[in-house]
Amino acid sequence: GAGVSQTPSNKVTEKGKYVELRCDPISGHTALYWYRQSLGQGPEFLIYFQGTGAADDSGLPNDRFFAVRPEGSVSTLKIQRTERGDSAVYLCASSGQVQETQYFGPGTRLLVL
Amino acid sequence: AQSVSQHNHHVILSEAASLELGCNYSYGGTVNLFWYVQYPGQHLQLLLKYFSGDPLVKGIKGFEAEFIKSKFSFNLRKPSVQWSDTAEYFCAVKIPQGGKLIFGQGTELSVKP
Repeated sequence: GAGVSQTPSNKVTEKGKYVELRCDPISGHTALYWYRQSLGQGPEFLIYFQGTGAADDSGLPNDRFFAVRPEGSVSTLKIQRTERGDSAVYLCASSGQVQETQYFGPGTRLLVL
Repeated sequence: AQSVSQHNHHVILSEAASLELGCNYSYGGTVNLFWYVQYPGQHLQLLLKYFSGDPLVKGIKGFEAEFIKSKFSFNLRKPSVQWSDTAEYFCAVKIPQGGKLIFGQGTELSVKP
């Protein structure tokens, strides 16, 4: 149906807390991607899934970050022990196949106080 | 590692002026190239893409880009900008077999009516 959706649209948390960000891709899209965009920068790749498996997680900054896609559709990005430097817009994208165009969602704006 | 450089951080033009935004990438092999646009308050949208074939590609809203392999460049052009083109523009590159998009830092375009 509609495009990529992400929830919540905004998230404010305190340093040290755990957060989960959700991405619902375009129906039928097998590939799903996570990016992070800091103020004044372009999106930075974090991880992508082909089906249920993470095909490339080279962009995850450290082991506080983890993402899952258990049924090959919805994905959750999980951040443990949040730090102020994690504040950014987290973008999700999906594509029919890995080689195809990526369509982006509106993002989740995360603020860590 | 691949990287993308966008030469102009902020461009200000009057309506009907011509536009050219520079984009250079560093990677010696075959690449897919993209320009994405983010209008104020909206999410990233694809303007145009180059995978293979004619190096001059046309996108939506009168935009075009030319891939010059010898210069590792993929500059975006529009002959006559409109106020509604005010947005942030991102160049991105991808290795065809992979899923990771590498973005430039973006160029903010302001068009004065």
